[in-house]
Amino acid sequence: DTEVTQTPKHLVMGMTNKKSLKCEQHMGHRAMYWYKQKAKKPPELMFVYSYEKLSINESVPSRFSPECPNSSLLNLHLHALQPEDSALYLCASSPITGTGWGEAFFGQGTRLTVV
Amino acid sequence: AQSVTQLDSQVPVFEEAPVELRCNYSSSVSVYLFWYVQYPNQGLQLLLKYLSGSTLVESINGFEAEFNKSQTSFHLRKPSVHISDTAEYFCAVSFIYNQGGKLIFGQGTELSVKP
Repeated sequence: DTEVTQTPKHLVMGMTNKKSLKCEQHMGHRAMYWYKQKAKKPPELMFVYSYEKLSINESVPSRFSPECPNSSLLNLHLHALQPEDSALYLCASSPITGTGWGEAFFGQGTRLTVV
Repeated sequence: AQSVTQLDSQVPVFEEAPVELRCNYSSSVSVYLFWYVQYPNQGLQLLLKYLSGSTLVESINGFEAEFNKSQTSFHLRKPSVHISDTAEYFCAVSFIYNQGGKLIFGQGTELSVKP
């Protein structure tokens, strides 16, 4: 299984809502990532988890709250978002040993629209 | 600081013509190099990678890239493109001695293959 599965594929939420994005992988990767991608732009790193611990937070606003319950799951909790947060949210995973961090496997993304 | 520059934001080409997508990077440390492809409304897929060894790397669908250390380049080539190659292509670097697993992406090149 070389897939990273993200749910939901599409999400529309109001600015006062609370929602969560979910990501799952069964490749045994011990690094997991959240990226944000705006249209016609490259992905921007938000968070990195290594061995289920948060290792990088790229100064992301607190209305985004990541969680890594176990080595296969990664969540992104959303609260009080702004319209400018509308984007494609991508989850990725990669091995930590061997070939290193960069060989990331990406999910299909969640298309988030904040209204 | 490390950076990746993709020299062309858009590359239009006719079907069966050759194509080259250019990528240059800047780094003071050793890096891994990657090309990712993103089809419309999808996540990113790893196309090929350079970690070490032979400077010419190939993908299963006919793309190849050559690592040139002196010119700090990792250009992507295909001798004959198909309509199905239409997509956004991202060059990326990852750092062998980093502390947290960052992929640094270029701005992307939109390859448009016309019949």
